[in-house]
Amino acid sequence: NAGVTQTPKFQVLKTGQSMTLQCAQDMNHNSMYWYRQDPGMGLRLIYYSASEGTTDKGEVPNGYNVSRLNKREFSLRLESAAPSQTSVYFCASDRINYGYTFGSGTRLTVV
Amino acid sequence: GQQVMQIPQYQHVQEGEDFTTYCNSSTTLSNIQWYKQRPGGHPVFLIQLVKSGEVKKQKRLTFQFGEAKKNSSLHITATQTTDVGTYFCAGPEETSGSRLTFGEGTQLTVNP
Repeated sequence: NAGVTQTPKFQVLKTGQSMTLQCAQDMNHNSMYWYRQDPGMGLRLIYYSASEGTTDKGEVPNGYNVSRLNKREFSLRLESAAPSQTSVYFCASDRINYGYTFGSGTRLTVV
Repeated sequence: GQQVMQIPQYQHVQEGEDFTTYCNSSTTLSNIQWYKQRPGGHPVFLIQLVKSGEVKKQKRLTFQFGEAKKNSSLHITATQTTDVGTYFCAGPEETSGSRLTFGEGTQLTVNP
């Protein structure tokens, strides 16, 4: 099925552990995004990639790194997880005038 | 920086009642987008409005873009339980046409 695939769907980390959230889209979109969603705070942009080979910081980049491996894949890495990074993470890609297509999300808990 | 605000934050209605959520931007927008997120789900794109004063309808949903292109509204006529979820508006950032700033959303609950 065409769309955005995120893995894993759920993850529990201990403080200080690292992990990579994977995202892949098969719609040939140029732009890809990572958002986090916390209760009452809407969606906040962490990093984005306007095209293969480019990445830029969003509103809340601290504690995260990203890699745009190719046109399809855009990964988000937490080098040393903190409880403040407990959140739901969404990857998205877009096509101009057709809005964002979001993945199903990764629910991350840091204990 | 650019801010996109939505009111109300929460709305509880009886099935069959109407519902409206309002979106206001601190800057003029080239377009406004609306998304719906079901409980436990991910945001799903509903519609994009581009023209000043534009009105679009999707069945019981009516979307409006203000004349000044700084505000928008979503109105649902005769709500159903399937309308439950959080509705977000989003506008492109001034410096980047593709990056969106999302409002905080309006969470709608519908009592049957």
